[in-house]
Amino acid sequence: SQQGEEDPQALSIQEGENATMNCSYKTSINNLQWYRQNSGRGLVHLILIRSNEREKHSGRLRVTLDTSKKSSSLLITASRAADTASYFCATDAVGFQKLVFGTGTRLLVSP
Amino acid sequence: ETGVTQTPRHLVMGMTNKKSLKCEQHLGHNAMYWYKQSAKKPLELMFVYNFKEQTENNSVPSRFSPECPNSSHLFLHLHTLQPEDSALYLCASSPRTGDEKLFFGSGTQLSVL
Repeated sequence: SQQGEEDPQALSIQEGENATMNCSYKTSINNLQWYRQNSGRGLVHLILIRSNEREKHSGRLRVTLDTSKKSSSLLITASRAADTASYFCATDAVGFQKLVFGTGTRLLVSP
Repeated sequence: ETGVTQTPRHLVMGMTNKKSLKCEQHLGHNAMYWYKQSAKKPLELMFVYNFKEQTENNSVPSRFSPECPNSSHLFLHLHTLQPEDSALYLCASSPRTGDEKLFFGSGTQLSVL
């Protein structure tokens, strides 16, 4: 399976702290994406990093990609209570035309 | 709002009922998807439509029947479901299949009694 797996499954931090989530996958990819899901809602696209990129930034988000280790990390800096959500990585594997999602990391940011 | 609207937001049905989920996108996209999200499991891709044609059926039981009358609308017809089919059903769209970014609706939370 090309499925991504996020680590940790759950993360609890205080406002202002940084949150780091990791994603590992199994096959060669074209790109890797991170999505956010508030409880009971749909997923919202956050950021995409291509296989030839190593790092990407978007506001308070920083994503890294290590294709040799088949892993990615999502860093949220200066977290806020509104960042409380589940975060999913999704991989677009070479030769496939569909995204495959991982099981997600549940982030709780306490005021 | 993502431009993808799903109705109803919540649905409770018995195992002998027939119901339909509706998805509409206002983004001008040509590809539409149904995903199933169950507790503690990864999102499962169910069906993919590209320009109204079904391009993927991910071994979904026949009690789930999709319909795509045009590129803006997608339905999921449900009949004789099982309690294990209870889940959040998410619709998504993209400009075409293989495109990099999906736009999701808010989902229909389905409970089968």
